[in-house]
Amino acid sequence: EAGVAQSPRYKIIEKRQSVAFWCNPISGHATLYWYQQILGQGPKLLIQFQNNGVVDDSQLPKDRFSAERLKGVDSTLKIQPAKLEDSAVYLCASSLAHGTSATNEKLFFGSGTQLSVL
Amino acid sequence: SQKIEQNSEALNIQEGKTATLTCNYTNYSPAYLQWYRQDPGRGPVFLLLIRENEKEKRKERLKVTFDTTLKQSLFHITASQPADSATYLCALLDNTDKLIFGTGTRLQVFP
Repeated sequence: EAGVAQSPRYKIIEKRQSVAFWCNPISGHATLYWYQQILGQGPKLLIQFQNNGVVDDSQLPKDRFSAERLKGVDSTLKIQPAKLEDSAVYLCASSLAHGTSATNEKLFFGSGTQLSVL
Repeated sequence: SQKIEQNSEALNIQEGKTATLTCNYTNYSPAYLQWYRQDPGRGPVFLLLIRENEKEKRKERLKVTFDTTLKQSLFHITASQPADSATYLCALLDNTDKLIFGTGTRLQVFP
């Protein structure tokens, strides 16, 4: 089966610019996650969707980050304006989980988008 | 809040030996714990899930244990191979049902 697709693979921008990342989860997966992984650290959850609704966005810096999942399939994550500390790999993941306890399933990750903010 | 501790220092072992990686958590015991493998430039790949009522889980050369008294999970790779070289991440649910990850331990297997 096709995996989680992400684009672009790499992005270099200057601070205060905006950037958007795209994710196409595995077909049929209800839950979609965006994680931020800073070099040398583990992935940190930014936002979790169940179908097209937000389950958790408590760690999303909402003054600059936004995400949407239209029609419960593809998702985009945007940063505007970017800061130097946003340099990281942005990972999208999906899982089959349904229901309110959406994390009781293994996650399938994409290869990520490596963002460098100069 | 729940915290996960993994040894940040790389683990270097010789091919054929057993690699043992440690994951410690600080607060309540989660319903389950997961282990992932991450190669450079790639996303994590799921390996094993162990539930709180399971002491041990095996999959081919991999073995995971879960000790809720010690608040610790051990991840073993027997007969290790250079292809096992990667970063291994431990993950579990926090008290708000979010899956949180440790920083990972890098394993290097030398021929």
